[in-house]
Amino acid sequence: GDSVTQMEGPVTLSEEAFLTINCTYTATGYPSLFWYVQYPGEGLQLLLKATKADDKGSNKGFEATYRKETTSFHLEKGSVQVSDSAVYFCALSDPRGNEKLTFGTGTRLTIIP
Amino acid sequence: DAGVIQSPRHEVTEMGQEVTLRCKPISGHDYLFWYRQTMMRGLELLIYFNNNVPIDDSGMPEDRFSAKMPNASFSTLKIQPSEPRDSAVYFCASSFVGRGAAEQYFGPGTRLTVT
Repeated sequence: GDSVTQMEGPVTLSEEAFLTINCTYTATGYPSLFWYVQYPGEGLQLLLKATKADDKGSNKGFEATYRKETTSFHLEKGSVQVSDSAVYFCALSDPRGNEKLTFGTGTRLTIIP
Repeated sequence: DAGVIQSPRHEVTEMGQEVTLRCKPISGHDYLFWYRQTMMRGLELLIYFNNNVPIDDSGMPEDRFSAKMPNASFSTLKIQPSEPRDSAVYFCASSFVGRGAAEQYFGPGTRLTVT
């Protein structure tokens, strides 16, 4: 079945460091890919998405490129801030129907000043 | 738009009691999802509805759990009787698949503690 594998956490970085959180997926067909972010005590929020190969999603300084050849959708940010501390989830949509999402296990990110 | 609304935000109950969690999806959305999040098991999809009809309830852990969606603007998740292992954060999410990619909008969650 469809699955998402995320980088194990927790990840701790200093402010202004470069961030990469790895995400690879297994799916038949052509899913859409998503990154969600969960701040403490809140629900998940969509951070960015990409719907086809080579698309780049971006938001709030974060970027991720849909790489079909490597089945990856790695999240990057050039200079992280303390306010980026959260749990990040990679997800893919069911390519057969689009409505259901398969989530990774989440990566907890802590940024220290 | 107010976003997805869940109530209550926190619920503390004793083992054996009935618990009802409530959700109001975003107006115009045609899919509604119930998830459970725990440290041990992460985020689990329990059940989802399309146009008020349950489509897949394979994630519902056992018969103690039931969910209904009587109309497009309201859904409930009921646990009867509750057990300590049901303690978790329960999220409701909604989406409008007519827009293509299935981005889901999550509510703030209900933190359930069963003692």
